[in-house]
Amino acid sequence: DTGVSQDPRHKITKRGQNVTFRCDPISEHNRLYWYRQTLGQGPEFLTYFQNEAQLEKSRLLSDRFSAERPKGSFSTLEIQRTEQGDSAMYLCASSFSGTVGANVLTFGAGSRLTVL
Amino acid sequence: SQQGEEDPQALSIQEGENATMNCSYKTSINNLQWYRQNSGRGLVHLILIRSNEREKHSGRLRVTLDTSKKSSSLLITASRAADTASYFCATVPTGTASKLTFGTGTRLQVTL
Repeated sequence: DTGVSQDPRHKITKRGQNVTFRCDPISEHNRLYWYRQTLGQGPEFLTYFQNEAQLEKSRLLSDRFSAERPKGSFSTLEIQRTEQGDSAMYLCASSFSGTVGANVLTFGAGSRLTVL
Repeated sequence: SQQGEEDPQALSIQEGENATMNCSYKTSINNLQWYRQNSGRGLVHLILIRSNEREKHSGRLRVTLDTSKKSSSLLITASRAADTASYFCATVPTGTASKLTFGTGTRLQVTL
């Protein structure tokens, strides 16, 4: 297992375009998280899944954002009609709920979005 | 929203010195964790301390937790240039299933 993988690592797009990020978690992990991080700030929670169920969404996740985890494995985060304020690093993390340290997260390297 | 705030925001020390960073949070918690982030990369979990614990050690790391003051500290002893990174505390508030809420981070620079 190579850890949490995110694709693409970098995405430059024009305002108004749609973008999609993919996350492949550690295969034994049933929980998957999306965070957003801007320069000089800590990660901000967006949403998380347990298996295929989306259990919590942040108010930061506007109608233009949608996340899916259709088979409880990989996940996608789509941003529609991108705005310059969406420029950030999008971090994916996973964990396994069956252990005492259920909320110790393993992060991917992130997908950096630049909206021109 | 950020649950915690780290202090100082930035810290510069020389190799071999100890580095101490502090975290304050707002609500009661199940546990508190510290993560490290090297420039432009993902976060790596360092250590977890539960709400009923007061101190924990892992290698050169020492974490304390004071739930009455809603604060924690991370001590890195005998720092190395490779310790240069941003350090974040993260909490799991009581009553939430598993969502981690991160602080604003301390940027540590260790010079030779």
